[in-house]
Amino acid sequence: DTGVSQNPRHKITKRGQNVTFRCDPISEHNRLYWYRQTLGQGPEFLTYFQNEAQLEKSRLLSDRFSAERPKGSFSTLEIQRTEQGDSAMYLCASSLRGARNEQFFGPGTRLTVL
Amino acid sequence: AQRVTQPEKLLSVFKGAPVELKCNYSYSGSPELFWYVQYSRQRLQLLLRHISRESIKGFTADLNKGETSFHLKKPFAQEEDSAMYYCALSGQSGNQFYFGTGTSLTVIP
Repeated sequence: DTGVSQNPRHKITKRGQNVTFRCDPISEHNRLYWYRQTLGQGPEFLTYFQNEAQLEKSRLLSDRFSAERPKGSFSTLEIQRTEQGDSAMYLCASSLRGARNEQFFGPGTRLTVL
Repeated sequence: AQRVTQPEKLLSVFKGAPVELKCNYSYSGSPELFWYVQYSRQRLQLLLRHISRESIKGFTADLNKGETSFHLKKPFAQEEDSAMYYCALSGQSGNQFYFGTGTSLTVIP
């Protein structure tokens, strides 16, 4: 286990298409976070899972966004009917509850919507 | 509202000079504060957190609740310190994290 992995690393899509990203956390980590980062900004929190339960969702997460973590392991983030404003780096992080909230980040998926 | 402010987008210092990256926060409760660093072509990683009161790579940060600040300091900057630094905040439950906009530090040889 070499850390948090994300796939794909890059995605180019046309406006209106649906995209799905995958995050594989560190195997024993029960917490998983999704963030969005645009140029010149810090990561913006999108949503948080503890095991398979989605416990927090940011107001940034519109109805076109949905995230799942069906078995408490990997997670997917789907964006429906993509818009140009969705172009960003999507980051995933995982942590172990009780480990003082230290998050380990993946390399990110860069989305470009044409 | 929860907010993390890093007033400097860019900071340049000479090698061997002291460096201070500023971070101010706004949070209704008892926050946990962190500094994350991103070196060129690497992923974001934790540098230090206030709860540990530790020094990592010569960096320290003290939580000042009166001034709601968590500035990052190092007495003698090194070239390998050049990176993007993000200040971050969470509640004690760890359910949400708030990041600042980051400060790009360049250490001039």
